[in-house]
Amino acid sequence: GESVGLHLPTLSVQEGDNSIINCAYSNSASDYFIWYKQESGKGPQFIIDIRSNMDKRQGQRVTVLLNKTVKHLSLQIAATQPGDSAVYFCAENSMDSNYQLIWGAGTKLIIKP
Amino acid sequence: DGGITQSPKYLFRKEGQNVTLSCEQNLNHDAMYWYRQDPGQGLRLIYYSQIVNDFQKGDIAEGYSVSREKKESFPLTVTSAQKNPTAFYLCASSIVGGSYEQYFGPGTRLTVT
Repeated sequence: GESVGLHLPTLSVQEGDNSIINCAYSNSASDYFIWYKQESGKGPQFIIDIRSNMDKRQGQRVTVLLNKTVKHLSLQIAATQPGDSAVYFCAENSMDSNYQLIWGAGTKLIIKP
Repeated sequence: DGGITQSPKYLFRKEGQNVTLSCEQNLNHDAMYWYRQDPGQGLRLIYYSQIVNDFQKGDIAEGYSVSREKKESFPLTVTSAQKNPTAFYLCASSIVGGSYEQYFGPGTRLTVT
């Protein structure tokens, strides 16, 4: 069935280093992918999205890479800051799923001073 | 400012009581969603609605009910039939079609004792 999963439940990164958060998906029909950031006790916030006709998209300090060959998605955060501490979720949407988002389990990013 | 509001932020109830969580949006979005999040876990879809007076069950609808009488409002009732209602509840909205990005409210933390 459809599923979105994450390789690492917790990631610890030194402040100032780059962070890479990974996500695997299994539905080859998925054509849209999105990353959210959730700070403790708050609702998720949109970070960046990418469509399946692209393999890379950049935002402010963030880059999303999509590898359709191995069904893998990653979020790169440059020069990680304390404010980046949060849980990061990937989600996918496909034409098969009534415009819903299928959510991954999340990765907790911890910033070491 | 446009956005989604959820109230209250914290809610306490005794076991056996029904409780209704509020969700309002002024983004003029057609679709609205309710998710449940348990500690350290991802988001699980309870119900969603893509148009007024219509809604669909998500993955974990048992013990919950919703209504969509107005475009702006999508209240969730947690009934006494829900076996383990203590959780963080998130409401979201989106346009139908397009980017599929969902906009989240701040959440309601429900504790049932």
